[in-house]
Amino acid sequence: DGGITQSPKYLFRKEGQNVTLSCEQNLNHDAMYWYRQDPGQGLRLIYYSQIVNDFQKGDIAEGYSVSREKKESFPLTVTSAQKNPTAFYLCASSMLVGGELFFGEGSRLTVL
Amino acid sequence: KQEVTQIPAALSVPEGENLVLNCSFTDSAIYNLQWFRQDPGKGLTSLLLIQSSQREQTSGRLNASLDKSSGRSTLYIAASQPGDSATYLCAVLTTDSWGKLQFGAGTQVVVTP
Repeated sequence: DGGITQSPKYLFRKEGQNVTLSCEQNLNHDAMYWYRQDPGQGLRLIYYSQIVNDFQKGDIAEGYSVSREKKESFPLTVTSAQKNPTAFYLCASSMLVGGELFFGEGSRLTVL
Repeated sequence: KQEVTQIPAALSVPEGENLVLNCSFTDSAIYNLQWFRQDPGKGLTSLLLIQSSQREQTSGRLNASLDKSSGRSTLYIAASQPGDSATYLCAVLTTDSWGKLQFGAGTQVVVTP
């Protein structure tokens, strides 16, 4: 089955720790995205990548980092510099930028 | 910057009634608009994608219209069912913010049996 797999589904982190969220897709899509969702708000773009070894900042990139070494994978690191990291994180992909967007099931990060 | 608004934030309808969900955007220079469904604690599921050159798109009981001049899209769900209960989000891609889809906050729908 083709799709997007995010892991872990739930993650707890102590303040001051970095954490990496995994996103893998087997849809052969070129473009991948990371969004953050907070209660009562729309999704906000953190980073996106149009192609391997290339990525661009979204609207809220501060305190986050990404890499795109393989077409299938787009991991997101939430660093200790992110002031309010507790949120629901969603990874998505599309054939090309501007195409139909498909989402993973999300990762919920809680900072204790 | 593109602003996307969905009103109302929540609505409840009896089973069998048609659903009408609204999405407004401020910048008419859009590339496309996409409607999604989100169940609690889950990711988003794509429902319909409308390109800027299209006026509407249909899939089963779902129909979405697009009026760029007035900055509006409407999602119609015919003969609603309890399984349609979810949050519905629209998202707009603007030609001058390539790659940066702007999302509305969503409309939470409850269909009562």
